[in-house]
Amino acid sequence: DIQMTQSPSALSASLGDSVTITCRASQSISTWLAWYQQKPGKAPKLLIYKASSLQSGVPSRFSGSGSGTEFTLTISSLQPDDFATYYCQQYNSYPTWTFGQGTKVEIK
Amino acid sequence: QITLKESGPTLVKPTQTLTLTCTFSGFSLTTTGVGVAWIRQPPGKALEWLALIYWDDTKRYSPSLKTRLTITKDTSKSQVVLTMTNMDPVDRATYYCARQGYGDYHFDYWGQGTLVTVSS
Repeated sequence: DIQMTQSPSALSASLGDSVTITCRASQSISTWLAWYQQKPGKAPKLLIYKASSLQSGVPSRFSGSGSGTEFTLTISSLQPDDFATYYCQQYNSYPTWTFGQGTKVEIK
Repeated sequence: QITLKESGPTLVKPTQTLTLTCTFSGFSLTTTGVGVAWIRQPPGKALEWLALIYWDDTKRYSPSLKTRLTITKDTSKSQVVLTMTNMDPVDRATYYCARQGYGDYHFDYWGQGTLVTVSS
């Protein structure tokens, strides 16, 4: 099974900061990677798919990159609404989908 | 407008079978390429994919839970049902259903989730 490892597990940042979250796959997944944002008590929200495609309606300060085994989610200028937990999800390992363990972004 | 909503018991006893229903609108599970998945999240923990059913009735299950899961669909009611047998307290989680769009492998629309507790 493909394992997804996110780092860091948590980070503190200030408004306006640029933050980067990394997701590593235990084997190559091409660009079959998505990123989700989840706020407490809410369902996950799709931000990025196919590693770098921005979901409709998602602010352009969110961007994704990577291929193979290493991927990043970058928030270019942190806004109050961005404090949340972020998950990566892979699909390259038939027939399963796997999520990372999450990265919590907190206010410094 | 695409919406999904989970329904089912909030409390089940150990060894019982859990049956959850996902009722959706705004899309059809007869459309080529579309799928509906179940994903769960124990309190304070990460997301775990459980099962998925496609428009053509193809089904996929998490290997670690495969023997306990059954996913079915009723296209006339726009519903997807998940059953999980032999429930255990470790199965306490919020259970979500989510849509997978045509040709995609990510989940673009999610239900609000339903918390299921397993206790005698």
